[in-house]
Amino acid sequence: DAGVIQSPRHEVTEMGQEVTLRCKPISGHNSLFWYRQTMMRGLELLIYFNNNVPIDDSGMPEDRFSAKMPNASFSTLKIQPSEPRDSAVYFCASSLSGGRNQPQHFGDGTRLSIL
Amino acid sequence: QQQVKQSPQSLIVQKGGISIINCAYENTAFDYFPWYQQFPGKGPALLIAIRPDVSEKKEGRFTISFNKSAKQFSLHIMDSQPGDSATYFCAAQIKAAGNKLTFGGGTRVLVKP
Repeated sequence: DAGVIQSPRHEVTEMGQEVTLRCKPISGHNSLFWYRQTMMRGLELLIYFNNNVPIDDSGMPEDRFSAKMPNASFSTLKIQPSEPRDSAVYFCASSLSGGRNQPQHFGDGTRLSIL
Repeated sequence: QQQVKQSPQSLIVQKGGISIINCAYENTAFDYFPWYQQFPGKGPALLIAIRPDVSEKKEGRFTISFNKSAKQFSLHIMDSQPGDSATYFCAAQIKAAGNKLTFGGGTRVLVKP
């Protein structure tokens, strides 16, 4: 079974450029989560969706960040304009919702470097 | 405000030894406590999890001990192997809050052969 697929795996771009990260969740999963991982702040939840609807975006750092989930099999996280402090590894995770607690399955992340 | 505190930040253990990682939480609404294992260049992967109505759960060499009254839980890795060298994260979840995970700060474990 395919896991959560993220692209690109690595992204290097200059400050001010638009960055788009992509995620394909596990088929059948209806919850999707975007995380950011840095040495200083660890793993932070940015936003999560349930059935393609954004439920909680309180972790999104500022208006430069936006996320969409146009359908059940695709989500994007966009940063515009990007800044050096956005450099981090961004993870997407998916899970089933409902019933008992469901584990989240993570992709291998996108390593983002803003110069 | 960090709701899940994890210690130590790093530890080194000899092959065959026991690795112990501790976590403490504040929010009594948490109802699920998973541990994730992360290797370099990979995303976190679920290792083992426990619910607060259970005091201990064992899967192979990995055991979670849970103390509800103290709001603490710990991961024990028995007979540690070099392949266990990774970063371990404890987490806490509230099902009613959409299964959001709150992670601890992580523990980097190095098992020396």
